[in-house]
Amino acid sequence: DVKVTQSSRYLVKRTGEKVFLECVQDMDHENMFWYRQDPGLGLRLIYFSYDVKMKEKGDIPEGYSVSREKKERFSLILESASTNQTSMYLCASSSGTANTGELFFGEGSRLTVL
Amino acid sequence: RKEVEQDPGPFNVPEGATVAFNCTYSNSASQSFFWYRQDCRKEPKLLMSVYSSGNEDGRFTAQLNRASQYISLLIRDSKLSDSATYLCVVNGGSSNTGKLIFGQGTTLQVKP
Repeated sequence: DVKVTQSSRYLVKRTGEKVFLECVQDMDHENMFWYRQDPGLGLRLIYFSYDVKMKEKGDIPEGYSVSREKKERFSLILESASTNQTSMYLCASSSGTANTGELFFGEGSRLTVL
Repeated sequence: RKEVEQDPGPFNVPEGATVAFNCTYSNSASQSFFWYRQDCRKEPKLLMSVYSSGNEDGRFTAQLNRASQYISLLIRDSKLSDSATYLCVVNGGSSNTGKLIFGQGTTLQVKP
């Protein structure tokens, strides 16, 4: 079974703190994604990556950065957390051309910024 | 206009009912379409892909109307375990970059 593991299920941080969200997949997938999910807004794509050291902006990249130093790991970084970044963050991976559509998601990291 | 629009519901139906969800998308170049299911406090999981000719998987039928840019999901003989949020997902364009756009989801509550 594909396993996507997110390092923290629940985090509470203070405004201005730097936050790291880690994601690891064990299926040698080329593609990895970070989404945030908010009530009434659905899932919105923050950043994605099709290869090691490669990254592309999604729809809402402001306030975030990412790192993909190894194929299995894709990290989301909040340089200076703000309260409007309180959300559920979902990491996903997929193989081949992502048009196949099957994204495998981690269980999510619920971040609260105070 | 949102790229992918769904009626958020909730849809409250009795067990055994037939229920249909609709979804519209704005990018006429989109080529791939999917329904995902998300249980409460869980991650989304692929339910089924949607093909031009329509496709069926047990009690679930998905249909695509490219001319109207419209996708549907029909659930027959609803079970309590079908209670979840159903996400309409569309590939963001004609390229192979595979950016998938998610609708906000339609919540289904099946009652005994």
